[in-house]
Amino acid sequence: DIVMTQTPLSSPVTLGQPASISCRSSQSLVHSDGNTYLSWLQQRPGQPPRLLIYKISKRFSGVPDRFSGSGAGTDFTLKINRVEPEDVGLYYCMQATQFPWTFGQGTKVEIK
Amino acid sequence: EVQLLESGGNLVQPGGSLRLSCTASGFTFSTYGMTWVRQAPGKGLEWVSAIAGSGDSTYYADSVKGRFTISRDNSKNTLYLQMNSLRAEDTAIYYCATLGDPAFDFWGQGTMVTVSS
Repeated sequence: DIVMTQTPLSSPVTLGQPASISCRSSQSLVHSDGNTYLSWLQQRPGQPPRLLIYKISKRFSGVPDRFSGSGAGTDFTLKINRVEPEDVGLYYCMQATQFPWTFGQGTKVEIK
Repeated sequence: EVQLLESGGNLVQPGGSLRLSCTASGFTFSTYGMTWVRQAPGKGLEWVSAIAGSGDSTYYADSVKGRFTISRDNSKNTLYLQMNSLRAEDTAIYYCATLGDPAFDFWGQGTMVTVSS
C-alpha cells in the first residue's frame, strides 16, 4: 500500500499569513496514464470533507485562489496564501493512483 | 445541484450486519463511479470501497474485504454498502462520494455506524 505522510500535523497560523502543508508518498504517484492522482481535501469542524485540489495543482470548482498545490513524484505541497477564519480545519492529502486509495494522517490548521 | 444522502447507520452488536444506502440526485448517477470513505471518531479518513458506474467493477480496502459488499441500483439512483461480521473497529461515520472528473468531487453528510455490545 502507498503510505501518505503529512507534515506538520498541526499548524497554528496568524490570520492573513501563509500556511504550508507537505505530503510525501512512499512511492511515485505517477499513474501509467501519465497523470498524478494526488488530491487535497479540507474538512471543517463538524462537516464532511470537501475537495480542494486534484491532480497536484488543479483547483476544484469554487475553491478560492488563495489555495494552491504543487509538487511531483512523491513530494507535494498545499499552500494557503493568506489564511482566513473559514480555513480552520483538517487538511488531508490522498492518492488515487493505486488501489487501495490512501489518505495522509491529516493536518490541523488553527488560528494562533 | 448534486446531493448525496446517506442512511442506514445504527448501533449494532459485534458480528452483526448493517446495510448503508446513499441516495443521489442532481446528476446522471449511472455515469459516475461511487465510493465509500469512513472516519472513526476523532480519527482520519479511510477509503473503504469503490464501484464503477455500471457496477461491474468493485474495489475494497483489505480491512473490509470479504465482509463488506458495495453495490448500486442505477434505476433507484442509490449506492449501497452491505456490512457483515461487523467489528468494533468498524465504528465510524461512513461517507459516500462521487467519482467524477475529478474523483471525490462531491460528498454526502455521512451516517454513523456504532459497533458495540
